[in-house]
Amino acid sequence: GNSVTQMEGPVTLSEEAFLTINCTYTATGYPSLFWYVQYPGEGLQLLLKATKADDKGSNKGFEATYRKETTSFHLEKGSVQVSDSAVYFCALKVDTGRRALTFGSGTRLQVQP
Amino acid sequence: EADIYQTPRYLVIGTGKKITLECSQTMGHDKMYWYQQDPGMELHLIHYSYGVNSTEKGDLSSESTVSRIRTEHFPLTLESARPSHTSQYLCASSEKQGRYEQYFGPGTRLTVT
Repeated sequence: GNSVTQMEGPVTLSEEAFLTINCTYTATGYPSLFWYVQYPGEGLQLLLKATKADDKGSNKGFEATYRKETTSFHLEKGSVQVSDSAVYFCALKVDTGRRALTFGSGTRLQVQP
Repeated sequence: EADIYQTPRYLVIGTGKKITLECSQTMGHDKMYWYQQDPGMELHLIHYSYGVNSTEKGDLSSESTVSRIRTEHFPLTLESARPSHTSQYLCASSEKQGRYEQYFGPGTRLTVT
């Protein structure tokens, strides 16, 4: 089956620190990979995505590279801001089958000024 | 820009009441989904639909029911609310084909007293 494993949070960083949130996956077939962000009291927003091996998704200073050899899709940002405080979800979707996204359990990021 | 709406945003209701959570999207997406998000943040798929008159149960057993009479509308109903139904409910939609991401509504936070 398909599954996504994320590092547990909360992750607490000072402003301008470097961020890494680890994500590894198990999938049948060839998945597309996604990072979603959820700000307090809101729904999920797509942050970035990658659809094939070695693709790099990027948005708002965040990046993640689809690593097929290590089955990973780690989220990184060079300098976090207080406004980045949110919950981050890694997810995958495979073409085969008719199911929805498979989500990781989420990682809460807290950025302190 | 995703156009998916959920109402109400917040609902506090007594045990035994019937409730309907509304979800509408204006993107013409065929696929729609309902997720339940527990306080630990994890997302659980409870219902999904591939199109009009097509609905299926998700991974997490739920006492709720759904209907899909129109493409743009995917309401979720609880016939008799209980405190165990207290949760955040997120609606999402996606295009029918390809590796397309899901777009999420803002969510409904339900509290059953």
